[in-house]
Amino acid sequence: AQKVTQAQTEISVVEKEDVTLDCVYETRDTTYYLFWYKQPPSGELVFLIRRNSFDEQNEISGRYSWNFQKSTSSFNFTITASQVVDSAVYFCALTENNNDMRFGAGTRLTVKP
Amino acid sequence: GAVVSQHPSRVICKSGTSVKIECRSLDFQATTMFWYRQFPKQSLMLMATSNEGSKATYEQGVEKDKFLINHASLTLSTLTVTSAHPEDSSFYICSARVPTGYNNEQFFGPGTRLTVL
Repeated sequence: AQKVTQAQTEISVVEKEDVTLDCVYETRDTTYYLFWYKQPPSGELVFLIRRNSFDEQNEISGRYSWNFQKSTSSFNFTITASQVVDSAVYFCALTENNNDMRFGAGTRLTVKP
Repeated sequence: GAVVSQHPSRVICKSGTSVKIECRSLDFQATTMFWYRQFPKQSLMLMATSNEGSKATYEQGVEKDKFLINHASLTLSTLTVTSAHPEDSSFYICSARVPTGYNNEQFFGPGTRLTVL
């Protein structure tokens, strides 16, 4: 069965600092999908990115970037120049081919002004 | 993108009553929907997988007689919490999987916050 580990329970940074959220996964499948979601206090999940196991290219979207490394089974998420609005809980998730989604424990990010 | 709605967004009920939560895919047909539960400051835990026209598959430890799931159409799945008790108070989130073309992505509803007094 797949497993996702987010070792950082809480992170606190000051605005404009860069912050990296770690995600390590376990799977026996060669085909799988990795996700990051943001959950603000309202509770609604906000989709950030999806990666399939055959695409190891890193991605940058504005202040967000993702580093996918199959060699270390990691899919880390970096926020550059953090802002107060980035404060939320961030979840990393994994689906194996056509199966349900399993979430990590989440990392609560607090960005202080 | 695909949109999933949930109704109600928030419900408060007395202990012993039953509560029905609806999950709808608004602009696509979903043969598979998922129900998750999230307790405060915890992660989302999968409760069950709902397939249209067949019985739901429940995760270990989830009581199927307490959490009734009905997926009667390709756009609607319902979760009924029967005889709710305070320990059932939680945030319930559904998701719907797009059958093809979206790389196995699931689209999540906005969630339903259940409070049992």
